Amino acid sequence: AQTVTQSQPEMSVQEAETVTLSCTYDTSESDYYLFWYKQPPSRQMILVIRQEAYKQQNATENRFSVNFQKAAKSFSLKISDSQLGDAAMYFCAYRRGGGGADGLTFGKGTHLIIQP
Amino acid sequence: EAQVTQNPRYLITVTGKKLTVTCSQNMNHEYMSWYRQDPGLGLRQIYYSMNVEVTDKGDVPEGYKVSRKEKRNFPLILESPSPNQTSLYFCACRGSYTEAFFGQGTRLTVV
Repeated sequence: AQTVTQSQPEMSVQEAETVTLSCTYDTSESDYYLFWYKQPPSRQMILVIRQEAYKQQNATENRFSVNFQKAAKSFSLKISDSQLGDAAMYFCAYRRGGGGADGLTFGKGTHLIIQP
Repeated sequence: EAQVTQNPRYLITVTGKKLTVTCSQNMNHEYMSWYRQDPGLGLRQIYYSMNVEVTDKGDVPEGYKVSRKEKRNFPLILESPSPNQTSLYFCACRGSYTEAFFGQGTRLTVV
């Protein structure tokens, strides 16, 4: 079974600085997807970024980027120029590829605090 | 607008009283799932479906039922709720190669 581990229950960063959230996963599959979801106090699950395992290039979305290390099974999220609106729970998630119907396996989450 | 709609958003019920949480999507996606979110545990998958009349158990299916009679709807049924089913529930849908789109969540309290 796949597992996703987020080793940082809580992180704190000063506004405008950079923070990196860690995620490791375990799988025997070669085709899979990785995601970071943001959950603000509204509880809505918002996709931040996605990475296909077959792509070597790290995904980037504006201030958000990932460091995808396939051999090490590591998928960290870097948030640059942190803003107050980035404060939220962040979940790392895995999904098997190949058209399977099974859903996402989530980590337990990292609570990100932004200090003004 | 692409949407996944869950109802109700909040529900307080008593032990043993059957309830249904509805989920509807307008994206014509094949795949739908239910998750529960508990503090310190993240989100865990309850059931998933790959199309009409095709459902399968996720990681924590005990005490839940689902049905998929129409592509757009995927209700979650608790036949006899218990306090350990107090949780935040999410419905999600996705296409074959897309990310998952989530509903707004249903906060369920069983007393």
